[in-house]
Amino acid sequence: LAKTTQPISMDSYEGQEVNITCSHNNIATNDYITWYQQFPSQGPRFIIQGYKTKVTNEVASLFIPADRKSSTLSLPRVSLSDTAVYYCLVGSSGAGSYQLTFGKGTKLSVIP
Amino acid sequence: KAGVTQTPRYLIKTRGQQVTLSCSPISGHRSVSWYQQTPGQGLQFLFEYFSETQRNKGNFPGRFSGRQFSNSRSEMNVSTLELGDSALYLCASSSDGLALRYEQYFGPGTRLTVT
Repeated sequence: LAKTTQPISMDSYEGQEVNITCSHNNIATNDYITWYQQFPSQGPRFIIQGYKTKVTNEVASLFIPADRKSSTLSLPRVSLSDTAVYYCLVGSSGAGSYQLTFGKGTKLSVIP
Repeated sequence: KAGVTQTPRYLIKTRGQQVTLSCSPISGHRSVSWYQQTPGQGLQFLFEYFSETQRNKGNFPGRFSGRQFSNSRSEMNVSTLELGDSALYLCASSSDGLALRYEQYFGPGTRLTVT
């Protein structure tokens, strides 16, 4: 089964770029790596998804190296509203079943 | 388009009882996944259903079960509740395929407290 590691917390000032890295091993070779954002008392919300190299959408970029043993979520010019917990999500095969594994989450605090 | 709805939002049960939680996915979505979220273990995958069939299952005991109906609505059941089952149970739906390959839309969750 996959194992994931994320920093527990990060602080950033408004307007800065924030990079959050998730290390993951034993992930499925043919599946996407996905990142979610969660605010208190809400379910997670999809941010971005990628398979390899770099993916960019209107809110974030995702960098995945060729070995796919990590992925880095990049949030450009964060604002106070980006204060949330960020999770990576990967898939793996094991114990006779396909498993989805979330990282433990990185609590991002944006400081004015 | 209405989002994912979960009922009830809050629930208090006693050890040994059983509980059923309900999830209505976004209209047109055929995949429903369930997750347990606790402060200690974080978000953990329970199972995924697609077109009424359980396709994947997480590492949870057999007390946790689920099903999906022909209209894609899903229920999960926990029997013989233990104190450690206290958690936020989240349901997510996606349009098609395996949960990881398609954007998942999460509901607000059901907060279960076992006393």
